[in-house]
Amino acid sequence: ELKVEQNPLFLSMQEGKNYTIYCNYSTTSDRLYWYRQDPGKSLESLFVLLSNGAVKQEGRLMASLDTKARLSTLHITAAVHDLSATYFCQCAGGTSYGKLTFGQGTILTVHP
Amino acid sequence: DTGVSQDPRHKITKRGQNVTFRCDPISEHNRLYWYRQTLGQGPEFLTYFQNEAQLEKSRLLSDRFSAERPKGSFSTLEIQRTEQGDSAMYLCASSRNPGNTIYFGEGSWLTVV
Repeated sequence: ELKVEQNPLFLSMQEGKNYTIYCNYSTTSDRLYWYRQDPGKSLESLFVLLSNGAVKQEGRLMASLDTKARLSTLHITAAVHDLSATYFCQCAGGTSYGKLTFGQGTILTVHP
Repeated sequence: DTGVSQDPRHKITKRGQNVTFRCDPISEHNRLYWYRQTLGQGPEFLTYFQNEAQLEKSRLLSDRFSAERPKGSFSTLEIQRTEQGDSAMYLCASSRNPGNTIYFGEGSWLTVV
């Protein structure tokens, strides 16, 4: 069964600093998604990564996918307070094409 | 697009009662997913549909849970004989095809007392 692990689970950052969230998954996967969730709210799609070496950027966030290493990263550049949220990765794997499994989430807090 | 719509947004029910949630996906989205999320946890997969066909169902779903998507449009998730452990947010999502962006609804919060 596909397992998806994120680290760190908690991340406290200073504004202006850079950091990376890692998402490891246990079986081959052809799709990797990143989401943001604010407290008490639903999930907002950030990125969809579909191939090895895929890189996507939106504002201060950049996501990449290495299917050989079964690893995706979400890089935060020059963090600002508005980025404080929980970030999830999600992927499909193994024989199940539609069962998409989430990581545990990374709670990001950006402080002055 | 009007987005994925879920109803009701909040439901408080007594243990043992049945509850039903409705999800209206984005028009022309073939894929529809149901997830459950408890406080502090990531969403857990429950089931998904391709059009009207339910293609996979999680082992998390006991016989008390059932989902339908009768005409390939809206979907319902029914929980029979609710238990306190069913208290969670139930999330519906849809996408046009695999590999496309998945859009989540605002969720339906269930509290079983």
